[in-house]
Amino acid sequence: EPEVTQTPSHQVTQMGQEVILRCVPISNHLYFYWYRQILGQKVEFLVSFYNNEISEKSEIFDDQFSVERPDGSNFTLKIRSTKLEDSAMYFCASSGQGKNTEAFFGQGTRLTVV
Amino acid sequence: RKEVEQDPGPFNVPEGATVAFNCTYSNSASQSFFWYRQDCRKEPKLLMSVYSSGNEDGRFTAQLNRASQYISLLIRDSKLSDSATYLCVVALNDMRFGAGTRLTVKP
Repeated sequence: EPEVTQTPSHQVTQMGQEVILRCVPISNHLYFYWYRQILGQKVEFLVSFYNNEISEKSEIFDDQFSVERPDGSNFTLKIRSTKLEDSAMYFCASSGQGKNTEAFFGQGTRLTVV
Repeated sequence: RKEVEQDPGPFNVPEGATVAFNCTYSNSASQSFFWYRQDCRKEPKLLMSVYSSGNEDGRFTAQLNRASQYISLLIRDSKLSDSATYLCVVALNDMRFGAGTRLTVKP
C-alpha cells in the first residue's frame, strides 16, 4: 500500500541551527501538507502546497519556515534558527483528489531542540 | 469559539460497550469532515470520512449535522484495539484538527 515516508524519524539540533525535514508523498498525490504536534497538544496545520506553490499557511508558518519541492518526489520543510519551542512532532501528509479530501500522514519526524 | 471542539474525555469503557464522541465546528463554510485515530506517539490515521447522509463502516457510524455544525462518531461493540485518541477533522482550504478524545477500552 502506498505510504508517505518521512526522514529522519528523530532529529536533535542545537538552538539557533537550521533543520530540514524531508518527506516523500504518495506518488500520484498532488496536495502536500505539513503539520506539527507539540507533545500532549493537538495537531496543528502549518502549510499546504499545490502546483509548486504554497496554497495556504497558518499563523504559525512565519518567516522562520519554508517549504520546497526540489524534485519530483521530495517535499521539504526548512526551519531556520530553531528555538526550544519548535520541539515537536512534524507530520507530512498528502492527498490525491483535492484540498478538502482525506489526507494520508507520514510517521513523523520528532524534532528536539536543545 | 474554537475552530473544532471535541468532548474532552477521557472515556474509559469495558469491552463490548458502545461509545459516542461528539464534535462541533465553528466555520459553517467547512466542506469536508473526517474522523482520524491516533495511537500514542504515532501519526493520525484516517478512520472514516463523514457524509451528510451519515455513513457506517462495520462497528463505526459517523453522522454530520450541517445545520448544527455537529459531527459524531459511534463505536459499537468496542474492542481493546479501539483504544486510541479520536480526532475530529474539518476541512475548508486545509484540514483543522480537534484536540482529540482519548478512549481506553478495558477487559
